[in-house]
Amino acid sequence: AQTVTQSQPEMSVQEAETVTLSCTYDTSENNYYLFWYKQPPSRQMILVIRQEAYKQQNATENRFSVNFQKAAKSFSLKISDSQLGDTAMYFCAFMGGAQKLVFGQGTRLTINP
Amino acid sequence: NAGVMQNPRHLVRRRGQEARLRCSPMKGHSHVYWYRQLPEEGLKFMVYLQKENIIDESGMPKERFSAEFPKEGPSILRIQQVVRGDSAAYFCASSHWTSGTQETQYFGPGTRLLVL
Repeated sequence: AQTVTQSQPEMSVQEAETVTLSCTYDTSENNYYLFWYKQPPSRQMILVIRQEAYKQQNATENRFSVNFQKAAKSFSLKISDSQLGDTAMYFCAFMGGAQKLVFGQGTRLTINP
Repeated sequence: NAGVMQNPRHLVRRRGQEARLRCSPMKGHSHVYWYRQLPEEGLKFMVYLQKENIIDESGMPKERFSAEFPKEGPSILRIQQVVRGDSAAYFCASSHWTSGTQETQYFGPGTRLLVL
C-alpha cells in the first residue's frame, strides 16, 4: 500500500520569505501522479500543483514550485515570496493506478506579517 | 462553470439517526470520490463511483455506510444509525475519466457532520 509522509507538522515564516514543505512517499508503482493541496481556514481543498511521475521537469505554478526526486521518492513544495493568504494546511497526495488519493498528515503553515 | 457542489454544508444529527450527504460533480465529470477528514488529520479515501457503478469501496466501513451515484441526480453518501465517531468533514471530489490516465480530482467545500 502507498504511504505519504509529511514530517513537518507546523511551519512559520515571515511574509515575503521562501518556505519549503517536505513530503516523501512509498510506492511500488512506476506511473503515478503527485499533488499538493491547500486547505485554508475555510477548509475548502484547493489544488496547488500537480506533477506527473514520468516527467523529469519540476512543475511550477506562479510562486509555487516542486522539487520532485523520483529515485528518493521525495516531493517538496517551495513557496516563493510568501503572502498572508498562503496561511493554510498543506497536504501532499499520491495517486496511482487505483485513482484514489492517498494524503499525508498535513503541514500547518503560518505566514506572519 | 460551477465547481463541485455539496449539501448540506453543515449537518447535525443525534445518535441513531440517518445522515444523507449529497454531491453534484463538476459539469462533464463522470467520476465521484468521497473522503473523510477527522479533526486534525488528513483526508482518507472512502469510495470511488462512476454513474450507477461502485468502482472501489475499500475505504468504506463495512456497516452503516453506503454510497450511490445514480444515472440522474447527485451522488449520495448515506450513514445509518450515526454514532459520535462519525463526526467529521466529508469531502466529495470529481474528475474526468481518460483511459490510462490519472485525472486531477477537484473538491467540493465539504459537509461537516456533527453527531450529538
